[in-house]
Amino acid sequence: GDSVTQMEGPVTLSEEAFLTINCTYTATGYPSLFWYVQYPGEGLQLLLKATKADDKGSNKGFEATYRKETTSFHLEKGSVQVSDSAVYFCALSEFQFGNEKLTFGTGTRLTIIP
Amino acid sequence: GAGVSQTPSNKVTEKGKYVELRCDPISGHTALYWYRQSLGQGPEFLIYFQGTGAADDSGLPNDRFFAVRPEGSVSTLKIQRTERGDSAVYLCASRPTAMNTEAFFGQGTRLTVV
Repeated sequence: GDSVTQMEGPVTLSEEAFLTINCTYTATGYPSLFWYVQYPGEGLQLLLKATKADDKGSNKGFEATYRKETTSFHLEKGSVQVSDSAVYFCALSEFQFGNEKLTFGTGTRLTIIP
Repeated sequence: GAGVSQTPSNKVTEKGKYVELRCDPISGHTALYWYRQSLGQGPEFLIYFQGTGAADDSGLPNDRFFAVRPEGSVSTLKIQRTERGDSAVYLCASRPTAMNTEAFFGQGTRLTVV
């Protein structure tokens, strides 16, 4: 079945550092790919998405490119801020049985120190 | 309300008891999902409703778990004869239609079985 493997955490960086969180996937078809973020005390929020190969999703300075050849969707940000501290989840979805359910990775906790 | 609302936010119950968890989706959203997030893991799919019917219940772990959505809006997840392994955060998400739309998550119900 479908699965998502993402970089284990926790990850601690200094403010303004470059961020990469790795994500690879296994899927039977052509999934859509997502990054969700969970800020402390809040629910999961969609950060960005890409629906086909070579698409780049971007939001709030974060970017991820759908790489079909390497089955990857790595999250990057050029200069992180303290407010980016959160748990980040990579996820995929495929439309099966009339349903587009999400399959998540285990999450990566990111802490940014001033 | 403006977002997906889940009640209670926390529930502690004794092993063997019955519990109900409630989800109020965003008004007008026809698709509703339940996920379970165990400690240190990403959310795992449980069940999907399109309107009033459970279109995909393949993620329910066993027959102690059941969910309903009688009027196509509020949903209740029911767990019978709870076990300590059921302890997790139960997340609800809704989306306007079944596919190609963003899923909005509630903050979850943290269930602890003692």
